[in-house]
Amino acid sequence: GAGVSQSPSNKVTEKGKDVELRCDPISGHTALYWYRQRLGQGLEFLIYFQGNSAPDKSGLPSDRFSAERTGESVSTLTIQRTQQEDSAVYLCASSQRNTQYFGPGTRLTVL
Amino acid sequence: QKEVEQDPGPLSVPEGAIVSLNCTYSNSAFQYFMWYRQYSRKGPELLMYTYSSGNKEDGRFTAQVDKSSKYISLFIRDSQPSDSATYLCAMSAVRNDYKLSFGAGTTVTVRA
Repeated sequence: GAGVSQSPSNKVTEKGKDVELRCDPISGHTALYWYRQRLGQGLEFLIYFQGNSAPDKSGLPSDRFSAERTGESVSTLTIQRTQQEDSAVYLCASSQRNTQYFGPGTRLTVL
Repeated sequence: QKEVEQDPGPLSVPEGAIVSLNCTYSNSAFQYFMWYRQYSRKGPELLMYTYSSGNKEDGRFTAQVDKSSKYISLFIRDSQPSDSATYLCAMSAVRNDYKLSFGAGTTVTVRA
């Protein structure tokens, strides 16, 4: 079946602009995660959605970052007033039980 | 100091060689250890999952955990060009914890 998909695959934006990243999880997966992967660094947890429970937003680095999920489907990660340090690959993953299945990521470049 | 340190590489080996990858960690509470493989422009995929100390083998892959030394390893035997990827270690203190602590990854190239 189809895996986790993310769009766009690449995004180049100017400093100060807002960006929206999209994640389509595997159908039926109740859990969804967002991570940030900076060059030369490990994955940083950003936010976790589980069903209809309140999301765990403890990994969001600042109030410029927000994420939403509609039920158990699509999620969007929004970064407002982007800064150069936001440049990274943003990965989404979904899971039904234990194993997280990752999407290919969105490569964000802030000029 | 990072919670999880991983040899940065890059590592280049000839086909058929044994690849040895390592991570050290500082949090003694970690009990669950994972290795992910990430091909270029793709998301990570889970390769191995181990609990506590010991060895686990899966085909050409062997994961080792030494909790007393806070050190984990992944060995790839008879390496193939298709093994060329970035390998990330990850760990957690709680089973099924969604907040994993990741290493930065080691990029491996297997030369044909």
